[in-house]
This record gives sequence, C-alpha cells and structure tokens, in this order.
Amino acid sequence: AQTVTQSQPEMSVQEAETVTLSCTYDTSESNYYLFWYKQPPSRQMILVIRQEAYKQQNATENRFSVNFQKAAKSFSLKISDSQLGDTAMYFCAFMKHHLTGGGADGLTFGKGTHLIIQP
Amino acid sequence: NAGVTQTPKFRILKIGQSMTLQCTQDMNHNYMYWYRQDPGMGLKLIYYSVGAGITDKGEVPNGYNVSRSTTEDFPLRLELAAPSQTSVYFCASTRSLAETYEQYFGPGTRLTVT
Repeated sequence: AQTVTQSQPEMSVQEAETVTLSCTYDTSESNYYLFWYKQPPSRQMILVIRQEAYKQQNATENRFSVNFQKAAKSFSLKISDSQLGDTAMYFCAFMKHHLTGGGADGLTFGKGTHLIIQP
Repeated sequence: NAGVTQTPKFRILKIGQSMTLQCTQDMNHNYMYWYRQDPGMGLKLIYYSVGAGITDKGEVPNGYNVSRSTTEDFPLRLELAAPSQTSVYFCASTRSLAETYEQYFGPGTRLTVT
C-alpha cells in the first residue's frame, strides 16, 4: 500500500511571494503518477498539476511547478507570484500506473496543507 | 456537459437510517470512484468501478454498498447509518487508458449522522 505525507498542516505567505508545499510518499511501485489538487472553501477538488514518474522533467503549469525527486520520493509544489485566489487546501495524491490502462485503484491522498495568502 | 453531478448536497440522517447518494457523469467515463473526506483529512477511497457491472472495494468500504448498472450512474448506499459515517462524500470519474489519469470530481455531499 502507498502512503502520502504532507508535513505542513498550514502555511501563510504574503501576496506575490513564492511558496513551496512539501509532499513525500512511500511506495514499492516503479510506475505511478503524482498529483496536486486544490480544494477552495467551495470544497470542489481542482487538479493543479500532475507528474508521471517515468518523466525526469518537472511538470509546470503557469505559476505552478513541481520538484519531483524520485529517489527521495519527494514531490513538492511551488507557487510563484501567489495570489489571493490561491488560498485553499492543497492535497498531494498518488496513483499506481496500470499497464493495461485505467486508474482502477483510485488516488491515495495526503492530509493536506492549508495555504493562506495574505493581502 | 455537466461533468460529475452528485445529489443531495447536504443530508442529515438519524442513527440506523439508510440512504443512497447519487452520482452521475456525462463524459462516458468507464472508471468511477467514491471517496470520503473526514474533517482535517485527505480523501479516502470507499469503492470504485471499472465499468458497468464491475465494482470493487477501496480502503474504507465497511458500512457501504455500491452498484453500477449503467456507465453513467454509480450510487453509494449507506445501510444503518452510524455517527462514524459523518463526512463529505465525493464521487469522481476518469476515462480508461492514458489521458493522464485525471479524475474529475463532483461537488460533494455533506452527510451528518446524529
């Protein structure tokens, strides 16, 4: 079974600053996917960014980027030029890769980091 | 295209009552999932389905049942509700094969058992 650990229950930064959220995971799988999800007060789960474990290049999506260290089993999220709308819970999640396709086992989530962007 | 819809949005149950949480997706996704989110925690997988007629248990299946008679619908049944089932329930779906495995989530159902 996989485990995902987010060691920062809450973080607070000023608007326009850069912030990094930490995530570590434990697995015996060699092929997998990692995700960061955002959950604003509306509680809707929104995909922020994804990383395929077989890709060495770190994923980026506009102001969001990851630092994926496969050997260390670390997957941190960096938010640049933070905005008030970034205030939310952020969840790191893991999914095994299935050679036949699909994501049948579902996602394994960490407990989340509450990010607060101060004006 | 409504995506993943869930009903109801909120519900209060008394201990021992039963109810069904509805989930529908209009994206023709084969894979569907039910998660629960307890306060201050991440989501945990209850049940999943890889297609009509096929379901399997996730991490926390006790006290729940599911069925998948169509591609679109994946209802979650709670029998004999207990206070420990107080939680927010999310339904999600994803297309089979690659497509980067993105799961699309519904808006959630907040359930309170008293």
